[in-house]
Amino acid sequence: EDKVVQSPLSLVVHEGDTVTLNCSYEVTNFRSLLWYKQEKKAPTFLFMLTSSGIEKKSGRLSSILDKKELFSILNITATQTGDSAIYLCAIGANNLFFGTGTRLTVIP
Amino acid sequence: DAGITQSPRYKITETGRQVTLMCHQTWSHSYMFWYRQDLGHGLRLIYYSAAADITDKGEVPDGYVVSRSKTENFPLTLESATRSQTSVYFCASGLDRGRSYEQYFGPGTRLTVT
Repeated sequence: EDKVVQSPLSLVVHEGDTVTLNCSYEVTNFRSLLWYKQEKKAPTFLFMLTSSGIEKKSGRLSSILDKKELFSILNITATQTGDSAIYLCAIGANNLFFGTGTRLTVIP
Repeated sequence: DAGITQSPRYKITETGRQVTLMCHQTWSHSYMFWYRQDLGHGLRLIYYSAAADITDKGEVPDGYVVSRSKTENFPLTLESATRSQTSVYFCASGLDRGRSYEQYFGPGTRLTVT
């Protein structure tokens, strides 16, 4: 059975801290791994990773995929209160299969 | 405006009633999807469509019906609503098969079945 596990389930940090969010997976027919950010409404796309070892970066966010060990990490440096959200990991296999997310709270 | 819209945004209905949730996108994306989001389960795929008149089941299709007569619209119907279908429903759209995993989500419909 396909599975996507995200950890931690929730995280509270202070502004300026660096956080690492984890996503491990077991899926058949893996094609890509995606990260989404969900604030109080719809998920918004952050990254799509298809190859191991190639870091994707967007400002203070970065992500990398390890297809051998079946996991990905999402790093956020110098966190801001606007980073508070649920971060969703999803695997592109036959369709998108989502994890339950990590709830990040950034305290001023 | 371009984008993906859903209506209604909030809906309260009674058990046994038929409910239709609407989804409209202006990007001309070939793929469209319906998800439900529940605590502890994350986002789960209900149905998806690769093109007009082509639909297929996702992970949790029971109790739902979809149609896609036009590329831009993808309505989701609950034929006889049950309390277990109380959820937040998201519609999404995506590009061709090679990039369809990069999906763009609508604002969601919060449905309560009493």
